[in-house]
This record gives sequence, structure tokens and C-alpha cells, in this order.
Amino acid sequence: EVTLVESEGGLAQPGGSLSLSCAASGFSFSTYAMNWVRQAPGKGLEWVSGISASGATTYYADSVRGRFTVSRDNSKNMVTLQMDNLRVDDTATYYCAKDRSERLLWLEFWGQGALVTVSS
Amino acid sequence: NFMLIQPPSVSESPGKTVTISCTRANGNIASNYVQWYQQRPGSSPTIVIYEDDQRPSGVPDRFSGSIDISSSSASLTISGLQTEDEADYFCQSYDSAKHVFGTGTKVTVL
Repeated sequence: EVTLVESEGGLAQPGGSLSLSCAASGFSFSTYAMNWVRQAPGKGLEWVSGISASGATTYYADSVRGRFTVSRDNSKNMVTLQMDNLRVDDTATYYCAKDRSERLLWLEFWGQGALVTVSS
Repeated sequence: NFMLIQPPSVSESPGKTVTISCTRANGNIASNYVQWYQQRPGSSPTIVIYEDDQRPSGVPDRFSGSIDISSSSASLTISGLQTEDEADYFCQSYDSAKHVFGTGTKVTVL
């Protein structure tokens, strides 16, 4: 059974930093791309970032490029999203999601989500 | 860059059929596969249609997907509507460097 468990989110001040991690199990982690998708309260889904199976290629939405960094450790079946220079509009539930292939294709399984609040 | 536009809401009675559209602005809908996700209140999204018209195991055959190249749109049809189908539905496609989600449609079962 595929499981994706995000670390707890938290509260950060504008301009601050926060890191989210996602522990994966139940599949061959190093074979699949991984993604982060967020959902602001009462809003739709916004893809944030992705990383190829090997970790060699990273992808970012324009809204977070230069502020967020995605990485993965295939030896620990873990993907991490480092969020710097946070803004109030980064407030959202962040989901970790397994892709269908080694590159970006579609999102096969999702974690339960972690709430990140950016407020002074 | 492209966008996927969905109607904000649709509603219908139990047992009826609803169809949700997903129109691609900029580019050809057939350029990349379209997927559909269901998100019930308080839950994470789950896939209900992948690669335009494929249904994952465990998803009822009441759910079906299609694309229409002439209108550059994809559609999700739910037949025999049930109360458990009340949820938000999002279409999604991709290009080489990003995933793109539709604006989302709230399905209400009257």
C-alpha cells in the first residue's frame, strides 16, 4: 500500500522559512517523480514543485521559483520542500504527491496534507 | 503557458447525469493527457480518470472521461449520481516542466 506522510506544517512570519518533508513507503521510491501541490483555504489546487526520480531535475511554479527548493533522498525514501522568504499568500495546505512516472505525468497518490500559515 | 477553465459549480438530483467541462486556453487539449481528481470535503484529492478516459481500479464505472479536440476541452461525466459524489473536481494536464490544474468544479447532489 502506498503511503505518503507529510511532516507537520506550522506558523512562520513573512520573510521567514519553513521546511516540509514527506516520507514515502509502499513503492519503489527512486523510480518515480514526486511533487508538492498546495491549496489555499477555500481555493483550488496549485502545483508548486516537482522533482524527477533521480533528483537530477527540479521544477517550480513561477510563484515560488527562487524562494522554494525541492530535494529528495532516495536512500531514505524522503522528499523535502524548503520554503524561504515566505509570504502571506503562501498560506495553504501543502500536499506531497507521487507522480505516475520518472518525470511529470500525473499525480497518482497524495498525502494527507500539512497546513502552513504565514502571518505576523 | 496554458490554463484549464472549469465551470465553478454544477448540481443535479440523485440518479441523474452531470458533465463537467475543462477547456484548455492556449494550445491543443490533445497535446498532453488530461486527468480528473475528486476531492471530498476535508480530504485529499484522489484520481478518478487518468490519460483522458482511463479509470483506475476501484473507481465506479459511473465515472467516464473524454476529450473533444474541436473545442479543445475535456469532460468528466458522472452518471447515476449518488450523494457520495458530492465533491470538488479538478482537471489536470502537464507540459514538460509543470503540472497545471483546472479551476475546479463543485458538484452538488440536490
